[in-house]
Amino acid sequence: KNEVEQSPQNLTAQEGEFITINCSYSVGIGALHWLQQHPGGGIVSLFMLSSGKKKHGRLIATINIQEKHSSLHITASHPRDSAVYICAVTGTASKLTFGTGTRLQVTL
Amino acid sequence: DAMVIQNPRYQVTQFGKPVTLSCSQTLNHNVMYWYQQKSSQAPKLLFHYYDKDFNNEADTPDNFQSRRPNTSFCFLDIRSPGLGDAAMYLCATSRGGGRAFQETQYFGPGTRLLVL
Repeated sequence: KNEVEQSPQNLTAQEGEFITINCSYSVGIGALHWLQQHPGGGIVSLFMLSSGKKKHGRLIATINIQEKHSSLHITASHPRDSAVYICAVTGTASKLTFGTGTRLQVTL
Repeated sequence: DAMVIQNPRYQVTQFGKPVTLSCSQTLNHNVMYWYQQKSSQAPKLLFHYYDKDFNNEADTPDNFQSRRPNTSFCFLDIRSPGLGDAAMYLCATSRGGGRAFQETQYFGPGTRLLVL
């Protein structure tokens, strides 16, 4: 069993839909990161959080430390949101332990 | 804009021919990381530098080496590339303050390596 599990693995949505991607982890963490990777490779850090909730534009990330669970929400999804979304955690060092990723496709 | 730059974006090399990938950053960050990402897999940390201190992951093959001549630049050297080393190589940086485990990592665009 991976230390960081994501669901779903693949997600297709229509433009405008509300999207939720889930992440569960089994290790103690220093912080949890949500990353976005577009086709072609580059990775962008979306959020880093260790408690509560963060919002940036149409993106919202929440974390429940007791339940070891985080969610990434996308409101009013758009085709340009199509990408792989990766959950990753750090422990007491800066090394990232990655989830398996969620491939999101938003269609018109 | 402050950023992480990787050159080249695409690199083709021959089996066994040494290759060097380059990463530079204008963020003045203390920590620089090298990740290997194979198709449809999560990135895998190869090693990182905290300032001049080199930290190798236990399962990184000896075929992979790194140099950091100054704060801005970091190089990944693959001494004898094999077909299994074909991958995307990602460089990342983080500030490297007192709580490095709670810092954002900034990634470069990656170098895609093809081994013929």
